[in-house]
Amino acid sequence: AQTVTQSQPEMSVQEAETVTLSCTYDTSESNYYLFWYKQPPSRQMILVIRQEAYKQQNATENRFSVNFQKAAKSFSLKISDSQLGDTAMYFCASRGSNYKLTFGKGTLLTVNP
Amino acid sequence: DADVTQTPRNRITKTGKRIMLECSQTKGHDRMYWYRQDPGLGLRLIYYSFDVKDINKGEISDGYSVSRQAQAKFSLSLESAIPNQTALYFCATSSGGDWGTDTQYFGPGTRLTVL
Repeated sequence: AQTVTQSQPEMSVQEAETVTLSCTYDTSESNYYLFWYKQPPSRQMILVIRQEAYKQQNATENRFSVNFQKAAKSFSLKISDSQLGDTAMYFCASRGSNYKLTFGKGTLLTVNP
Repeated sequence: DADVTQTPRNRITKTGKRIMLECSQTKGHDRMYWYRQDPGLGLRLIYYSFDVKDINKGEISDGYSVSRQAQAKFSLSLESAIPNQTALYFCATSSGGDWGTDTQYFGPGTRLTVL
């Protein structure tokens, strides 16, 4: 079984600044994928970034990057140059060999002007 | 047009009523999923289907049933709705095949309220 923990229910950041959202996970599998999904007020679930566990290089997508610490089972999301449109709920998720996603409870990020 | 559509987008119903939520996709994916989202709990898997003849229970299937009418259609039914089934429901699809590239894409969600 997999578990995903997001310990920050809410965070806020000033526009143009950098913020990091935390995620820890637990799994018994040797290979797995980790994901960050964004849910803006429109409620649509949008894939932000993904990381394969056996790849040591941290994934990057434009202003979004991850810090993947496999030994610590940590997978944090860094958002650089925060924009008002980044205001959303962010979910961390893991996927093992059974293809099923396990989600954390989410972190509500507010970007202030 | 959206690749994954859900109908209705919002629904209010009464306790004891039967209700069906529908999901359609044009992505050509074999795999489809139903999740519910509750405040403070994230998304939890209700049912999933890896092809038309393969349907599996997720972690919270009690009180729900599903039907995979075709590759592109996956419906979720509440046989006798109760207030604690009030939630936001999401359908998702993924291509299956190569485990490494399998990514789930979500529909816009259905807000269900049971009075």
